[in-house]
Amino acid sequence: SYELTQPPSVSVSPGQTARITCSGDALSKHYAYWYQQKPGQAPVLVIYKDSERPSGIPERFSGSSSGTTVTLTLSGVQAEDEADYYCQSADSSATVFGGGTKLTVL
Amino acid sequence: EVQLVQSGAEVKKPGESLRISCKGSGYNFTTYWITWVRQMPGKGLEWMGRIDPSDSSTNYSPSFQGHVTMSADKSIRTAYLQWSSLKASDTAIYYCARRGGDYWGQGTLVIVSS
Repeated sequence: SYELTQPPSVSVSPGQTARITCSGDALSKHYAYWYQQKPGQAPVLVIYKDSERPSGIPERFSGSSSGTTVTLTLSGVQAEDEADYYCQSADSSATVFGGGTKLTVL
Repeated sequence: EVQLVQSGAEVKKPGESLRISCKGSGYNFTTYWITWVRQMPGKGLEWMGRIDPSDSSTNYSPSFQGHVTMSADKSIRTAYLQWSSLKASDTAIYYCARRGGDYWGQGTLVIVSS
């Protein structure tokens, strides 16, 4: 199995840019997916295949990849973006989640 | 509209058995693997494993292998997660999700307490 490492927390003021990283050896070979989870709710996919955005997800959400690190970027953060964010990657037989990052909007 | 609808909350005692369900609608149920994800109270997401509803083949996380069983009945578009002997540490919310993570069930809260 493999691991994905995320910072436990990121804080940003409204309107600023938040970047949440996720690192792991598997990311150089497999796509990353990002989920947003608000309290009491199921996770919501916000980025798939490193940088693709599902329909209905605001354009301020973007993803990028470089080597063994992927980054979720929220441009122009809004109060409603405060949530936990999880990265995920998968190979042919297994999937792993990062530990999650709590995004706080100050 | 694609939906995954999970069964309701359960309160069980240690040692009891349990099966929870995840019913898909609005898409070809046999085309997408169903994954199961655990979220313990106040903790992160953990991938438990997945099942292919077309032939019920499975892959389990080593952390859950042998403790849970995944199954599916494609005739009624439903996937299942079951335990033969629950432990207090199984207390968590369990989510099902479609392969690719684009659709998730609402979660099933399982409480195991004596």
